Amino acid sequence: GAGVSQSPSNKVTEKGKDVELRCDPISGHTALYWYRQSLGQGLEFLIYFQGNSAPDKSGLPSDRFSAERTGGSVSTLTIQRTQQEDSAVYLCASSLNNRGPDTQYFGPGTRLTVL
Amino acid sequence: GEDVEQSLFLSVREGDSSVINCTYTDSSSTYLYWYKQEPGAGLQLLTYIFSNMDMKQDQRLTVLLNKKDKHLSLRIADTQTGDSAIYFCAEAGNTGGFKTIFGAGTRLFVKA
Repeated sequence: GAGVSQSPSNKVTEKGKDVELRCDPISGHTALYWYRQSLGQGLEFLIYFQGNSAPDKSGLPSDRFSAERTGGSVSTLTIQRTQQEDSAVYLCASSLNNRGPDTQYFGPGTRLTVL
Repeated sequence: GEDVEQSLFLSVREGDSSVINCTYTDSSSTYLYWYKQEPGAGLQLLTYIFSNMDMKQDQRLTVLLNKKDKHLSLRIADTQTGDSAIYFCAEAGNTGGFKTIFGAGTRLFVKA
């Protein structure tokens, strides 16, 4: 399909383990966002990639969280030494980042459960 | 920094109108958006409004923008049970390279 895909769809891990979440954006989209949505909470911005510019990491909650985007396409969000409070749905979105109306297209999310 | 705020819950009866409100702080906002998230799915764009407009209507949806007060609202006429979802307000402006900033989302419950 031509949409944003994320993998895995579900991930269960033990406290203290590292996890990697993957996002495949829509081809040609220069902007890529990661968000976290916790149960009963709203949408929390994590990180924003735009083309070759340095990413905006202002939303990362701690230094256990990092993300990279290789070749301006696929992105990986890594959480080291996971904690139970990291349990949430992690959403990825991409957009053309036009200076006009810029629709973000969201993936279905990865549900992370830390036991 | 920039902020977008919404109330967390709204409950209406089927057939009534729903009004979801949002306030934002970025005075350079050029586009304001409403996204909808149905259970178990990602967000999808519902509608958007350019900052030089006061109102935009699209079938059952009416978006009102008060730029002076930095207040945005989404009205859903004849609300149906299928409208039950989380509605997110978002804004994008010149700050941060047109990064879009989302509110926390308003969960709309529609009672039959």
